[in-house]
Order: sequence, then C-alpha cells, then structure tokens
Amino acid sequence: GDSVTQMEGPVTLSEEAFLTINCTYTATGYPSLFWYVQYPGEGLQLLLKATKADDKGSNKGFEATYRKETTSFHLEKGSVQVSDSSVYFCALRDFNKFYFGSGTKLNVKP
Amino acid sequence: GAVVSQHPSWVICKSGTSVKIECRSLDFQATTMFWYRQFPKQSLMLMATSNEGSKATYEQGVEKDKFLINHASLTLSTLTVTSAHPEDSSFYICSARDRSGANVLTFGAGSRLTVL
Repeated sequence: GDSVTQMEGPVTLSEEAFLTINCTYTATGYPSLFWYVQYPGEGLQLLLKATKADDKGSNKGFEATYRKETTSFHLEKGSVQVSDSSVYFCALRDFNKFYFGSGTKLNVKP
Repeated sequence: GAVVSQHPSWVICKSGTSVKIECRSLDFQATTMFWYRQFPKQSLMLMATSNEGSKATYEQGVEKDKFLINHASLTLSTLTVTSAHPEDSSFYICSARDRSGANVLTFGAGSRLTVL
C-alpha cells in the first residue's frame, strides 16, 4: 500500500544553517506530493506541493523536488530562521486519499 | 484563501458522555471532508472520509458506532465521539477539499479532547 517515510527528529540547527528533511514514498499510482507544517496546538498548513515528476515546489524559501527515480521529495531550505521551528509532515495524495509521514520536529536556535 | 473552522478547539468531558466536534468550510463548498486523529508526537491517522449527503467511509480498525460522522451540508461535517473513554483522548483534526476537486487539503486547527 501507499506510505510515506520521513527522517526522525528532532532536527536541531543554528540560525542560518542549511536544512534538509528527507522524505521517501511508496505509491501504487502517480501521486502528488506535499509538505505540511504544523505549529503547536494547530492543524496543518500547506507549505508546498508538486504534482508530477521533476516538479519543484517552493514557498517561503523552502523547496522540494519530486524525484520519481528515487521516490523522494526532500525538503530543503538554504538558511533557516528561528521562526521555522515547527513540525514538518511529508504527504502524498494517491487516488482519493492522503497519506502522511510521521513528522519531523525542527528546532532552530538563535 | 480557503479556511476550515473547527469547534471546539478543546473539550474536557467525563467518561461515558458524548462529544460533538464540528468542522466547517467557511468560504468554499466541501464535498469531501476527512477526519484524522493525531497521537502525541505521531502522524495523522485517517479515521474516515466524509462525503456530503452519504455515509462516511471508515478506515480499517475505526469503530463507526464509536465515531459517528455526519456530513449534512456542503460546509459542515460533524464527528461525535460516543460514550467517550480516557483512551479516546486525542487531537482530532478535520480537513476539507473544495468542490472543484482541487488537489489540496485545507486543515482545521484541530480539537483536543480530554476524557476524564
């Protein structure tokens, strides 16, 4: 069945460091891929998405490229800020369902 | 942009009582709404898919008589936790997809249920 695997956290970085959160997926169809961010006590907010192979999603300095050959959708940011501290979820949509990874907590220290 | 409102944001109830959580799409019509349950430090577990005007589709292992879902209109779905017990304490999150079938989910802010 479909599934999403993302790196376990927490990930702790200093401000302005480079961020990578790995995400790989398994899908039976041709999924769309997403990154969501969850702030404490809140629901999830869409960060970026990609709907087909080689697409690059980007938003707020974050990027992720849909790599079909490696079934990956790694999240990257060149220079993180303290305000980026949150939990990040990788997700895929296949047919009518969404599947989420387990989430990766990011802590950015000043 | 699309907004989903979830109410209440937190609720405390006694064991054996029932609790209703509402999920509303404020500025769009949602033919499909999804209910998730999130355990501490874990991912979202899809509980059921709610379609307007029809019965909800429950995921394997989710008790439909325990978690009653009603999607009476294009802007409202409700989740009722019946005869709640402490093990039902959790963070419940709804999400909605608009009528256009857009490839994006909009999430509510979640409802934290604590059963004493």
